[in-house]
Amino acid sequence: KQEVTQIPAALSVPEGENLVLNCSFTDSAIYNLQWFRQDPGKGLTSLLLIQSSQREQTSGRLNASLDKSSGRSTLYIAASQPGDSATYLCAVAGGFKTIFGAGTRLFVKA
Amino acid sequence: DADVTQTPRNRITKTGKRIMLECSQTKGHDRMYWYRQDPGLGLRLIYYSFDVKDINKGEISDGYSVSRQAQAKFSLSLESAIPNQTALYFCATSGTVASSYNEQFFGPGTRLTVL
Repeated sequence: KQEVTQIPAALSVPEGENLVLNCSFTDSAIYNLQWFRQDPGKGLTSLLLIQSSQREQTSGRLNASLDKSSGRSTLYIAASQPGDSATYLCAVAGGFKTIFGAGTRLFVKA
Repeated sequence: DADVTQTPRNRITKTGKRIMLECSQTKGHDRMYWYRQDPGLGLRLIYYSFDVKDINKGEISDGYSVSRQAQAKFSLSLESAIPNQTALYFCATSGTVASSYNEQFFGPGTRLTVL
């Protein structure tokens, strides 16, 4: 059974800092891994999707990597801004189901 | 206009009442999903549907039922609501084109409170 873990559960950083969010999964037989952003009480916004054959994806200040063999993905946020404050979720797709981590709550202080 | 819409956005109801949550999408996707989100637990899959005639239980389907009325519509029902069904409910869709297989797109959510 696939299990997805995100560490840390919460993170507070000063504005401008580069940071890394971690996601680990137990079953390497995946189709893809998706990173989402969720603002309080709101829906999920897709940030990046990495197919199983890919090693990384980039969008603006965001870079996501995938290492299937070790069951890990990281989301790198460069030059963090207060507007980046949100919860970040990773989701691993395998078979017909997608399993979500519990998320990392990020707070960027101005 | 949003690609995935949910109604209602907020609902307060009482124990024992029947509740229906509705989801519509304009993305033309075949696959639709219902999730619930509880604090600290992430999202958990309730039901999923790969087309109008294909509906499957997720990991927490007890107490819920669904109906896929059309490719674009997927509704979730709570036949007799109970307080531990208080949660944020999300509908999601995904396509079947190989390059976007399983990339999911979410609606804005329905906040349900059962008193």
